Amino acid sequence: KAGVTQTPRYLIKTRGQQVTLSCSPISGHRSVSWYQQTPGQGLQFLFEYFSETQRNKGNFPGRFSGRQFSNSRSEMNVSTLELGDSALYLCASSFDSSGNTIYFGEGSWLTVV
Amino acid sequence: AQKVTQAQTEISVVEKEDVTLDCVYETRDTTYYLFWYKQPPSGELVFLIRRNSFDEQNEISGRYSWNFQKSTSSFNFTITASQVVDSAVYFCALSRSSGGYNKLIFGAGTRLAVHP
Repeated sequence: KAGVTQTPRYLIKTRGQQVTLSCSPISGHRSVSWYQQTPGQGLQFLFEYFSETQRNKGNFPGRFSGRQFSNSRSEMNVSTLELGDSALYLCASSFDSSGNTIYFGEGSWLTVV
Repeated sequence: AQKVTQAQTEISVVEKEDVTLDCVYETRDTTYYLFWYKQPPSGELVFLIRRNSFDEQNEISGRYSWNFQKSTSSFNFTITASQVVDSAVYFCALSRSSGGYNKLIFGAGTRLAVHP
């Protein structure tokens, strides 16, 4: 059974640009969540999507957005990149939102220069 | 407030030593889940265990064991006879009914270095 797949794995962007990260959850999983990991702030929840609807949102500015498609695949977008957005972005998938095990992908390493 | 505290920032042991990673959590919810994840240098968070708040049984899986004590709000993780491959950062996390079960609150992590 394939795990959570994230693309791209590594990317470098310039300040002011935007970036889109992609996540394919485990087959059959309908919930996708996104997390940002930085050395200073640790692992922080960005948002969760379930059946194409945003179910939950963390404390991040509106520059961070996401969406989920009918096949449960998800994308997150960061607009007007800032140096502080440099981080590991992790996608997580779960069967639903009722407390099942949450599995993570390998992450996308974003560097903003 | 909902919070997870991993007081040990770094632990260094020699192979074959036993090591315990501490995790203390805070929540007012009566229904919640606790998780442990391992993060190797590649970045992926590898799932180790999930435990719900109504199940206080300790669990053993090979060299890994977990001790859940609601009375002290702790969910500690012990590696017996550590190996070099256990070197990683370990995270404890909490999810609860009021915040959404898929919104994990993570501790700061404990970096474990196992030396040959």
